[in-house]
Amino acid sequence: DQQVKQNSPSLSVQEGRISILNCDYTNSMFDYFLWYKKYPAEGPTFLISISSIKDKNEDGRFTVFLNKSAKHLSLHIVPSQPGDSAVYFCAASITGTASKLTFGTGTRLQVTL
Amino acid sequence: DTAVSQTPKYLVTQMGNDKSIKCEQNLGHDTMYWYKQDSKKFLKIMFSYNNKELIINETVPNRFSPKSPDKAHLNLHINSLELGDSAVYFCASSRGTGNNSPLHFGNGTRLTVT
Repeated sequence: DQQVKQNSPSLSVQEGRISILNCDYTNSMFDYFLWYKKYPAEGPTFLISISSIKDKNEDGRFTVFLNKSAKHLSLHIVPSQPGDSAVYFCAASITGTASKLTFGTGTRLQVTL
Repeated sequence: DTAVSQTPKYLVTQMGNDKSIKCEQNLGHDTMYWYKQDSKKFLKIMFSYNNKELIINETVPNRFSPKSPDKAHLNLHINSLELGDSAVYFCASSRGTGNNSPLHFGNGTRLTVT
């Protein structure tokens, strides 16, 4: 039962362009969403988050958009840089469940020169 | 000075053996976790401890036993290892259990059971 889905296993984007990573969820109880970035042989590192009371959160080059009615969120990276090449995991949680995160399977982003 | 460190990085062992993975965090966090990433890349929570108390225990076989001797350590002991236990195990910690406490992950332990 995959409650958080990242349907694109990989994405290739040219340096300087916008990268858009998508995530869908099925559990309407989720009210907090996060993106993590993972390099090979390392653990995931926290990137950005958004609460369900918002529809947008921005941090530098990274912006997360949340569409609650569609149960969809996306991560925009602009401009994309080669160092952004990594696997990006979407995660969701329910407030009050002790930071129990449900992860998607990740999207591998390749930023080309 | 790694924030969340796990040992060993790689572990290859035979079916039926018992093994342990150690985790330590130097962030002063109160909450620690074990996550498992299987061959399909699903990252799933196994356990969580807050101030040495077990607060999350997902549907994990009894062969898996976490132990938290203090707030900075959360070890994972696995008895009678099976082929299906092969995965990457990630330890993580967070300041608390609220939404404003993102998880900090270790670099993972790749367990291979032959």
